[in-house]
Amino acid sequence: GDSVTQMEGPVTLSEEAFLTINCTYTATGYPSLFWYVQYPGEGLQLLLKATKADDKGSNKGFEATYRKETTSFHLEKGSVQVSDSAVYFCALSRSGAGSYQLTFGKGTKLSVIP
Amino acid sequence: DGGITQSPKYLFRKEGQNVTLSCEQNLNHDAMYWYRQDPGQGLRLIYYSQIVNDFQKGDIAEGYSVSREKKESFPLTVTSAQKNPTAFYLCAIRGPTPYNEQFFGPGTRLTVL
Repeated sequence: GDSVTQMEGPVTLSEEAFLTINCTYTATGYPSLFWYVQYPGEGLQLLLKATKADDKGSNKGFEATYRKETTSFHLEKGSVQVSDSAVYFCALSRSGAGSYQLTFGKGTKLSVIP
Repeated sequence: DGGITQSPKYLFRKEGQNVTLSCEQNLNHDAMYWYRQDPGQGLRLIYYSQIVNDFQKGDIAEGYSVSREKKESFPLTVTSAQKNPTAFYLCAIRGPTPYNEQFFGPGTRLTVL
């Protein structure tokens, strides 16, 4: 079945550091890929998405490129801020008869210190 | 997220009691989902519904029940058969594009005393 593997956290960075959170996936066909962010005590927010190979999703300074050859969708940001402290989830979706479910990674907690 | 409400935000229940969590949306979307979130385990799908009066079990449906009598409402009941119900519960809707992104409500934290 489908699966998503994220780097384990927690990740602690100083403000203005470069961020990479690795995400790899296993799925047949051509899934859509997503990154979600969850701030403490809140629901998940869609951060960015990519729907086909070589697509780059971007939002709020975050970027991720859909790499089919390496089945990866790594999240990057050039200069993190304290306000980026949150849990980040990588997810994929395959359409098809039935459910339109999302498959999530386990999440990576990011803490940014001043 | 914008048009998806969950209530209450915090809920306490005694062991052996059933409790119902509310999820309402005013975005006129067909598909709705319930997830359970435990620390370090990501999200696990409990139930989903693609149209009114129809719903399907997810990966961890045991001890839970749902109904979908109206398009805008998808309540989740945590029954006394659920052995470990303390968790954060998230409701979501599927977006209108072909890519199946989901949009989440603010969540309900259930604690069993």
